[in-house]
Amino acid sequence: QSVLTQPPSASGTPGQRVTISCSGSSSNIGSNYVYWYQQLPGTAPKLLIYRNNQRPSGVPDRFSGSKSGTSASLAISGLRSEDEADYYCAAWDVGVVFGGGTKLTVL
Amino acid sequence: EVQLVESGGGLVQPGGSLKLSCAASGFTFSGSAMHWVRQASGKGLEWVGRIRSKANSYATAYAASVKGRFTISRDDSKNTAYLQMNSLKTEDTAVYYCTRLSVDTGGFDYWGQGTLVTVSS
Repeated sequence: QSVLTQPPSASGTPGQRVTISCSGSSSNIGSNYVYWYQQLPGTAPKLLIYRNNQRPSGVPDRFSGSKSGTSASLAISGLRSEDEADYYCAAWDVGVVFGGGTKLTVL
Repeated sequence: EVQLVESGGGLVQPGGSLKLSCAASGFTFSGSAMHWVRQASGKGLEWVGRIRSKANSYATAYAASVKGRFTISRDDSKNTAYLQMNSLKTEDTAVYYCTRLSVDTGGFDYWGQGTLVTVSS
């Protein structure tokens, strides 16, 4: 049982916009930044979004993050086949807490 | 080029011990906080613990699930972090990643390839 709650799956067709939600509490998302990680099959996670809505260099602007209260979301616009991956939200709490992950399928 | 290379994984019996290493290169290791994150097969990410830099007194912190059994240490002269795992349980079976906490972003910007630890009789 993960501290942060994500939907287990999401899907979309190429070119569509999809969003992935992440719900927490006042001790994590409510009082700290949210981070998003992308994990392609068989690889290590990659930092996708930091401090709620910032993109590291090299991450396409198709990826965006937002936060409101104790919830956050990741949006992916112009969906591409290479976006098919697992996505995890994370935040500081007592240590770092992660969401259970959302498997994104590009139909 | 930044690299984090884990080693030391393998098969161990319940109650046994194992020590993982994480060799770093391409960045100022001594100034970085290093974390361990694990992932059971088909499951999500779980934070294991961290060790801060010398400037922050090498402070450590652990997830409740491993506290008292796991110990994180580092040798800055070797650019290496370690995860000593004792009293291993079957539920500790996972791929263990070491990762660097970025001061710039506050996130984990570099990850190793992971090393598999299997706890089974």
